[in-house]
Amino acid sequence: ILNVEQSPQSLHVQEGDSTNFTCSFPSSNFYALHWYRWETAKSPEALFVMTLNGDEKKKGRISATLNTKEGYSYLYIKGSQPEDSATYLCAFNAGGTSYGKLTFGQGTILTVHP
Amino acid sequence: SQTIHQWPATLVQPVGSPLSLECTVEGTSNPNLYWYRQAAGRGLQLLFYSVGIGQISSEVPQNLSASRPQDRQFILSSKKLLLSDSGFYLCAWSESRVNEQFFGPGTRLTVL
Repeated sequence: ILNVEQSPQSLHVQEGDSTNFTCSFPSSNFYALHWYRWETAKSPEALFVMTLNGDEKKKGRISATLNTKEGYSYLYIKGSQPEDSATYLCAFNAGGTSYGKLTFGQGTILTVHP
Repeated sequence: SQTIHQWPATLVQPVGSPLSLECTVEGTSNPNLYWYRQAAGRGLQLLFYSVGIGQISSEVPQNLSASRPQDRQFILSSKKLLLSDSGFYLCAWSESRVNEQFFGPGTRLTVL
């Protein structure tokens, strides 16, 4: 059983604050790490797919880093806005016989207060 | 552009009744297809995935089954629902097993 942990479970920030949260995953048999944003009453939406150790990806005010050797990824949001409120999910894609299957973390629920 | 449809959006079923949830994808061919469930208080769990017509891999032993009768159609079924089958069911597709996945709108299933 693959263990993918996200912290914190929930986070409340004020509009304009920058924030970050963590995803930890097995450091062996790594293939890719996905980040998704899941807004209430919508479907999960892909943010990033990261495959290389040291990868850093950016989309607008959101960025992510990847450390496959120690098994963690950080998601950063700069200058949070109320519309960033959502659950942020990471998902681990292992190689080998688990190739292609995503194991999701429990998610970090972000609430941005105006 | 590609779209993914799921129905119904919500479903309330008695224990012991059958289930059929349908997912279809448009605008792509030979997609990889996935069924996930989010039970109350838990994360998204992969139930089934399919890389082609008639090819189904089951991830966890359970009361459910899946079928892929056509390239872009994925069906989740049960012969007799249990209370523990309640949850939010999501269908997803991807172009390959490593690309990002695109999720449907989901079905909220309540078993009473």
